[in-house]
Amino acid sequence: NAGVTQTPKFQVLKTGQSMTLQCAQDMNHNSMYWYRQDPGMGLRLIYYSASEGTTDKGEVPNGYNVSRLNKREFSLRLESAAPSQTSVYFCASSRNRGENEKLFFGSGTQLSVL
Amino acid sequence: AQSVTQLDSHVSVSEGTPVLLRCNYSSSYSPSLFWYVQHPNKGLQLLLKYTSAATLVKGINGFEAEFKKSETSFHLTKPSAHMSDAAEYFCVVSEVNKFYFGSGTKLNVKP
Repeated sequence: NAGVTQTPKFQVLKTGQSMTLQCAQDMNHNSMYWYRQDPGMGLRLIYYSASEGTTDKGEVPNGYNVSRLNKREFSLRLESAAPSQTSVYFCASSRNRGENEKLFFGSGTQLSVL
Repeated sequence: AQSVTQLDSHVSVSEGTPVLLRCNYSSSYSPSLFWYVQHPNKGLQLLLKYTSAATLVKGINGFEAEFKKSETSFHLTKPSAHMSDAAEYFCVVSEVNKFYFGSGTKLNVKP
C-alpha cells in the first residue's frame, strides 16, 4: 500500500524561484494537510483541506498557495521562494473525526532556499 | 482556540529508568489527543491516542498517557527507558479535523 506519497524528496531553490510540492494519498481520506517542520518549533500547519474543492489556512499560510485537485491530490506551491521557507515539508491525510481518526504522513520534502 | 505546550524541550534519562514527557493543552472543544514519535531522519509514527473512551491510554512500545481534564494535561510515560526510545516526541491535539502539534521534546537515553 502506497499510503501518502509526496514528491520531490529534496529540492534546492534560489530566492525568488517557484515550485510545487506534490502529494497524493490512496486511502480515500477526505482531509489532507501540509505542515512544515523547523527545529524547536514542531510541525506547523500551513494549509488544510477538509474535502475536494475546499481549503483553509493554518498557522503559517503566508507565502504559500494550495490546490486540492481531487480527492487524492493536494499540492503546495511556493510562488517566490524565500530563505525563511527553508524547512522540511510534510503532507498528511486523515480519516474524519471518530474512532479511526489519525494522521498518515508522507516521507517529507527537504527544501533549501539559497 | 487550541494550543499545545510541551513543557520540556529536552529530557535525559538513564536506560532502565522511568520516562515522563509533559504536555498541556487548551481547546474550545472536546479534543482528541495524540502522541507521535520521530526517530532521527525518519518520519512520524503514532504512539497512542485519546478519544474519550478511557483516560489511561496504552500505546506501542510500552508507552502510556493519562488524560486529566481538570489539569488539561496529557503526559506520556514509560516505566523503563530503552536506548531505542531516543527520539523526538510530539504531543498533538485535534480539533474539528485540524491537528496541532506541540514544539516537541527530545528524549536522550544514556547507557
